[in-house]
Amino acid sequence: GAVVSQHPSRVICKSGTSVKIECRSLDFQATTMFWYRQFPKQSLMLMATSNEGSKATYEQGVEKDKFLINHASLTLSTLTVTSAHPEDSSFYICSATRTSGNSYNEQFFGPGTRLTVL
Amino acid sequence: AQTVTQSQPEMSVQEAETVTLSCTYDTSESDYYLFWYKQPPSRQMILVIRQEAYKQQNATENRFSVNFQKAAKSFSLKISDSQLGDAAMYFCAYRRDPYSGAGSYQLTFGKGTKLSVIP
Repeated sequence: GAVVSQHPSRVICKSGTSVKIECRSLDFQATTMFWYRQFPKQSLMLMATSNEGSKATYEQGVEKDKFLINHASLTLSTLTVTSAHPEDSSFYICSATRTSGNSYNEQFFGPGTRLTVL
Repeated sequence: AQTVTQSQPEMSVQEAETVTLSCTYDTSESDYYLFWYKQPPSRQMILVIRQEAYKQQNATENRFSVNFQKAAKSFSLKISDSQLGDAAMYFCAYRRDPYSGAGSYQLTFGKGTKLSVIP
């Protein structure tokens, strides 16, 4: 099976600092990666779609200047939360799709990153 | 825009019994995929089962099966012989067929159903 990792798994930071979360596809190439946010006991909310070599597409209501996404290679996408505030505290999940060329491209999910902003 | 509705915030089932989780969705498209994902306490999302809209036959994966009613836009998950390890949040999700439209693999999730398994 395809494996997606996230680093770090947990991070605590002070208000006003920036935090970078990495999402890696370990054993496959992913042209598309997705970033989700999940509040406690709620569903996953798509934040942005990240395509390798191009700018990310953000969902309505997601501040692109606050949540910087970079998809520099076929195996790595990063999410940087800039000037983090307590309301940014959440669980962030990434997923990646293979470049297999058929219409069914399963999304493989990372284990998530718990961000706590003090 | 597509929407996915899970009307059961919580369900419980006795171990070894059968439980059905409900999901309805709204779309104007004819080609799409439907999924059930499991999220255990570890928070790792796990694909349980998927259904292609063009297939009339309901998908099955071991103890998991779906009842896909395309006209009614209904997609329920049946878990047979429930086990303690089945306890988790279950999310129904929709994805358009990227080759039939704008070309996106993004998933739209329902709000989830928390399943408890009683020993």
